Amino acid sequence: DIQMTQSPSSLSASVGDRVTITCRASQSISSYLNWYQQKSGKGPKLLIYAASSLQSGVPSRFSGSGSGTDFTLTISSLQPEDFATYYCQQSYSTPWTFGQGTKVEIK
Amino acid sequence: QVQLQESGPGLVKPSETLSLTCTVSGGSISNYYWIWIRQPPGKGLEWIGYIFYSGNTNYNPSLKSRVTLSVDTSKNQFSLKLSSVTAADTAVYYCARGSWDIAVPGTTLDYWGQGALVTVSS
Repeated sequence: DIQMTQSPSSLSASVGDRVTITCRASQSISSYLNWYQQKSGKGPKLLIYAASSLQSGVPSRFSGSGSGTDFTLTISSLQPEDFATYYCQQSYSTPWTFGQGTKVEIK
Repeated sequence: QVQLQESGPGLVKPSETLSLTCTVSGGSISNYYWIWIRQPPGKGLEWIGYIFYSGNTNYNPSLKSRVTLSVDTSKNQFSLKLSSVTAADTAVYYCARGSWDIAVPGTTLDYWGQGALVTVSS
């Protein structure tokens, strides 16, 4: 199985901050990497697919980059509605696997 | 707007079979992957498996011996059966749609249900 490791596991930030979350795969996954946002009690929401493509309807303050084993999700200016948990996920090979999540909290 | 809704018993006894159905509305079940994912309380996401609309399946090896997925295109539904459950199977179970495009790497889970909590307890 491909292991996905996110860092940090949690972070505290203020509205307006630039936030960066990293995801590392245990082997190369090319650009087969998606990012999701999950709010408490809800199903995850797709933000970024194929490492850097913004899903329709997602604000442009979200961006993704990387390929191979190292990936980044960036929120350019954190908004109140962005406080949530973020997961990366690889679909390069089955079993599809997720990172352990990064919880973004209010500072 | 595509919507997915999980349904099924919220309480299952140990050693019995967990059964959930996902109803898809606002779109066709054809040409997509249909996926089950679970999340134990306070933990991360685990992929259970997928079924293509044509019926082809792929299961997580960690659950493969106990999982069966099926699809009913006439009802726009797909289903999960997990046998011989234990307390470790207590989780919120999500259904999701997997979209693919020949020009895009991988499969994206672009629509999710709200989740169904299933508790395994006697």
